[in-house]
Amino acid sequence: GQQVMQIPQYQHVQEGEDFTTYCNSSTTLSNIQWYKQRPGGHPVFLIQLVKSGEVKKQKRLTFQFGEAKKNSSLHITATQTTDVGTYFCAPLLRGNKLVFGAGTILRVKS
Amino acid sequence: GAGVSQSPSNKVTEKGKDVELRCDPISGHTALYWYRQSLGQGLEFLIYFQGNSAPDKSGLPSDRFSAERTGGSVSTLTIQRTQQEDSAVYLCASSLDAGWETQYFGPGTRLLVL
Repeated sequence: GQQVMQIPQYQHVQEGEDFTTYCNSSTTLSNIQWYKQRPGGHPVFLIQLVKSGEVKKQKRLTFQFGEAKKNSSLHITATQTTDVGTYFCAPLLRGNKLVFGAGTILRVKS
Repeated sequence: GAGVSQSPSNKVTEKGKDVELRCDPISGHTALYWYRQSLGQGLEFLIYFQGNSAPDKSGLPSDRFSAERTGGSVSTLTIQRTQQEDSAVYLCASSLDAGWETQYFGPGTRLLVL
């Protein structure tokens, strides 16, 4: 069946370093969403990507959708302690359902 | 307006007891989702509703789990004869429609089965 792989599972960075999480699918995706969950909180929508090769920015966050629409990435420039949390990708898969990846846990050392 | 609300926020129960978890979605949202999240883990899809119908129940772990939605609004997730492995945070989300619409999550119910 369709599967989504999100890597890495965990990353611990020094404040000010960059961070990237990747979401990979074996099949072409129609669109993909990204969510952030702060420790002890609930997932909150960040962005949706629809077009092949699309790039969207939110301040220090850059989201990309691959040309073949089989992968996506979230890049954070110069991490801050407020970036701590778990980042989930959620592609729309067959069955018209968002399927959440396993998430990447980000920890930031100050 | 109000977001998604869930009750109770915390529930401690004894193994073998039944529990009911409630979700109040955002008004006007036709789709409602239930997920389970164990400590430090990802989101495990359980079931979703479109209106009062559940087109996809594929994530329910066993027949001890059931859910219903009435009036296209409130949903209840029931776990019968709880087991210790049922301990987790149960998250509810709603969206305007099913599919690609943004999901808005509630704060979750933290369930502990002793």
